[in-house]
Amino acid sequence: GAVVSQHPSWVICKSGTSVKIECRSLDFQATTMFWYRQFPKQSLMLMATSNEGSKATYEQGVEKDKFLINHASLTLSTLTVTSAHPEDSSFYICSARGVLNTEAFFGQGTRLTVV
Amino acid sequence: AQSVTQLDSQVPVFEEAPVELRCNYSSSVSVYLFWYVQYPNQGLQLLLKYLSGSTLVESINGFEAEFNKSQTSFHLRKPSVHISDTAEYFCAVSPEGGKLIFGQGTELSVKP
Repeated sequence: GAVVSQHPSWVICKSGTSVKIECRSLDFQATTMFWYRQFPKQSLMLMATSNEGSKATYEQGVEKDKFLINHASLTLSTLTVTSAHPEDSSFYICSARGVLNTEAFFGQGTRLTVV
Repeated sequence: AQSVTQLDSQVPVFEEAPVELRCNYSSSVSVYLFWYVQYPNQGLQLLLKYLSGSTLVESINGFEAEFNKSQTSFHLRKPSVHISDTAEYFCAVSPEGGKLIFGQGTELSVKP
């Protein structure tokens, strides 16, 4: 099956700093990438959808200036959490879908802890 | 708009017993249906999907799900579970080519 690699798998950062998370499709071209946030014992909350070469579409309530998404190539999307605060601590998961795919493939997730 | 309801937040079951994880959805358009499994601190893995055709779909590890259009359900079943099946299971729908909408998740706990 298709492989999506997410990096880093975990990160600890100081409050006020920025953190970048990468999501790569390793063996297919991801025309669409999705970024989710998951709180403990809860479902995945879609944050934004990005299409290669276009601006991301953010879900209602998600601050686009805080969660910067870049999808500059067909194999790479990045999520940057700017000026992170402890309330941004969460599990972030990306998924990718190619033009020929009916389903999305998920990365391993990134555990972000802001101290 | 689409929505997904997983009727059980937690399902405890003994090893080798059968299990059913329930999923109902609502949508005004045709959708694809999925079951994903998530192990602790990991991403999601696709378990099985329904796109069209036969309403009964199976996974390689013994799970199956049946699409019931009249009841708008897509329940997941396994006739005999293993300890290794302990995980969080998510039902999801997406309109064709659209974004995935997830249910709240069901924690399956298999006990020896």
